Amino acid sequence: GAVVSQHPSRVICKSGTSVKIECRSLDFQATTMFWYRQFPKQSLMLMATSNEGSKATYEQGVEKDKFLINHASLTLSTLTVTSAHPEDSSFYICSARRYLGASLNSPLHFGNGTRLTVT
Amino acid sequence: GENVEQHPSTLSVQEGDSAVIKCTYSDSASNYFPWYKQELGKGPQLIIDIRSNVGEKKDQRIAVTLNKTAKHFSLHITETQPEDSAVYFCAASTAQGGSEKLVFGKGMKLTVNP
Repeated sequence: GAVVSQHPSRVICKSGTSVKIECRSLDFQATTMFWYRQFPKQSLMLMATSNEGSKATYEQGVEKDKFLINHASLTLSTLTVTSAHPEDSSFYICSARRYLGASLNSPLHFGNGTRLTVT
Repeated sequence: GENVEQHPSTLSVQEGDSAVIKCTYSDSASNYFPWYKQELGKGPQLIIDIRSNVGEKKDQRIAVTLNKTAKHFSLHITETQPEDSAVYFCAASTAQGGSEKLVFGKGMKLTVNP
């Protein structure tokens, strides 16, 4: 089946530093990837849509300069949290859509998430 | 925009019992409804999905039903096992010009007691 790999699974960084999270689709090409943020015991909040070869689309309230997204290839998207602060500590999850051709609503597969702790 | 409501927020059952999770959605244009299972510290895993041209879909112990008129859909798990314990999310999506966003419910924590 489809596999989405996310790395690292956990990261601890100091306030003011930047952290890069990678999301890879391992056995399919993904023209679109999504980045979510999840707080404890809460649902997934969509942060941005990453489109291969073009700029990401950010949801309202998400700072594009703080959460830099790059989707340089059909199998890799990266999220960089710049100048991280303790309030950025969260569980970040990427997902990739496996395109099923002309059919609508291709399945969305998730990575295993990255637990970011900013001290 | 789309709004997905999910209930109950928690459910505890005995092993072997059935569990039902219900969701409602607001946008009648939504046409795709996946269900995800999330275990502690992991990302959500797609377990089953249903499209608006189908009323019911079954995969072993898991089944999903969709009522487009009432705008609600449900996940049914039969013969529950302890490994079914997890948080389950429903979601709805509308395909609009290729831009398909999933809107998630708030999740339901299922505990299956041995």
